[in-house]
Amino acid sequence: KQEVTQIPAALSVPEGENLVLNCSFTDSAIYNLQWFRQDPGKGLTSLLLIQSSQREQTSGRLNASLDKSSGRSTLYIAASQPGDSATYLCAVNFGNEKLTFGTGTRLTIIP
Amino acid sequence: DADVTQTPRNRITKTGKRIMLECSQTKGHDRMYWYRQDPGLGLRLIYYSFDVKDINKGEISDGYSVSRQAQAKFSLSLESAIPNQTALYFCATGTWGNEQFFGPGTRLTVL
Repeated sequence: KQEVTQIPAALSVPEGENLVLNCSFTDSAIYNLQWFRQDPGKGLTSLLLIQSSQREQTSGRLNASLDKSSGRSTLYIAASQPGDSATYLCAVNFGNEKLTFGTGTRLTIIP
Repeated sequence: DADVTQTPRNRITKTGKRIMLECSQTKGHDRMYWYRQDPGLGLRLIYYSFDVKDINKGEISDGYSVSRQAQAKFSLSLESAIPNQTALYFCATGTWGNEQFFGPGTRLTVL
């Protein structure tokens, strides 16, 4: 079964620190991987999309990496801010044009 | 204006009632999806459509039906709502091999 896992489920970090969120998946034959942000009770905002041929993508303070052989992706957030507090979701397209989601990491940035 | 809209945003109904959730998009995407989100379970795919004449069951389609009225419109129906269908429902759109974009969600409560 194709599964996506995000550990830890929750993370608290002091403001200003750099941090890494983890995502692992069971099948290395992925098509692409997408990182989302979700604020409480809100919809999902797409942050970054990495195609299977790419190793990383960057947007502002965010950098996402992809290592298909080990079944892992990381989302690096530089110089964290209180406004970064949210739940971060990883979703994988295993080649069937459907997304399989992890359960997310709830990030709290402590001022 | 939002690219993906969902109506209603909140709905409280009773067991046994028929409910329709509607989704519209102005992104011109051919693919549309319905997901539900439950605490601790992440997002799970209910139904998806790759074009107006294409409807496919997702991971958890039992108790739901859909209609793709046009490229821009995809509605989800609960024929006879039950309490365990209480959840946050999201519509999403996408194109082949690319990002999915999500609506703001509908919070449904079945009493």
